[in-house]
Formats: sequence, C-alpha cells, structure tokens
Amino acid sequence: DAGITQSPRYKITETGRQVTLMCHQTWSHSYMFWYRQDLGHGLRLIYYSAAADITDKGEVPDGYVVSRSKTENFPLTLESATRSQTSVYFCASSEGGFYGYTFGSGTRLTVV
Amino acid sequence: GIQVEQSPPDLILQEGANSTLRCNFSDSVNNLQWFHQNPWGQLINLFYIPSGTKQNGRLSATTVATERYSLLYISSSQTTDSGVYFCAVERGDYKLSFGAGTTVTVRA
Repeated sequence: DAGITQSPRYKITETGRQVTLMCHQTWSHSYMFWYRQDLGHGLRLIYYSAAADITDKGEVPDGYVVSRSKTENFPLTLESATRSQTSVYFCASSEGGFYGYTFGSGTRLTVV
Repeated sequence: GIQVEQSPPDLILQEGANSTLRCNFSDSVNNLQWFHQNPWGQLINLFYIPSGTKQNGRLSATTVATERYSLLYISSSQTTDSGVYFCAVERGDYKLSFGAGTTVTVRA
C-alpha cells in the first residue's frame, strides 16, 4: 500500500548502543522529517530533508544522525543511545504547499 | 522560534456535547494544521487551514491569521473523538512547530 512506513514499531536498546530507525515513503515526496514526542513537549523536530542528499538540523538534533541517499528513505540513527532518547519517534513526509503533512505510525524506543 | 499555545490542556466531554479547542501562535505563519492523535498513537491530519474556515463532518476549524489564532470545533462528540489534538504551524520553511496538545476524553 502507498504510504509512509516506520520500522520497527517498538525497540528496546541499551545505553551506548547504536540504533537505526527506518522510514520509507511511497509518494516520492520531496520533504521528510523526524520528530520525537515526549510528554509535555508535543512533537519536536529532530532533522529534516528537502530532497535526496539535502538534510538539516531541527530543534533537537544532538545525538542523532540522518541520511537520505534515496528520495523514499530517511533513516534516523542514534549513534550512542542515552536514556534521555527514550521517546516515540515519528517520521513525516510532505510535498509542501497545500498538501500538508502525513505521519508514519511511530516507533516507540526505550533506552535502558 | 515561534511559540504555539493550545488550550485547554485537558477536556472531558459527555457524548453528544460540543467543544472548542484553541491554538494561539506568536508570529505570522504560512501553514497551520490540526492533527488528531488517536489512542493508538497514530497522527491523523484533520485540517490544513492557514486562514478561513473549513468543515469536515462534525469537525470544523477557523483560522484568523491576522489575530494569530485558530479554533477547532467538535460538535456532537463521540467516544471515537477521544485522543490528543495538536495544532502545528509552519513559517515557510516546511518545518512544523507543534503545540503541546489538548487531551480530549469523551465519555459515553
């Protein structure tokens, strides 16, 4: 089905480990985003990408790395996971303008 | 950055009641969206409404851009309306800034 898919849905990892969250969209949208959701903060932007090979930092980028070699994929890597990175992570895509944004189902990450 | 404030933070409704959620933002915006996050965590786009009024079934939204606020109306609420409602704004750089949300609980 067309849409935006995140994997895994749930992940438990240990402090200090590297973990990668995957995001795949089938619409060929130019823009893709990673947000984290924490209680009391709403959603905060981690990184975004305007096109393949173009990425930029958002509000809370520290400790995260992204890449976008193909338009449809936008993985998020936690290089050395910390407990403060326990959160729900949402990927989104948009073609901009009047089309709005569409979000994936989220990945619940727990760092122990 | 732009500040987005939503009120009230929590709302408890009896099924069939009407309600209004408010979103205030601190600067001019190009885009404003309302999202519903259901109890399973899925974020659903309700309205793209940088200005004016839109309606979709029992939901409607109004944005007064010159006064920097938007309202989301829920009429004849149903238990399926429960969840968190987010307002998000964008200032021309395609990056959404979210409010903290309004948690709505509709009781049967």
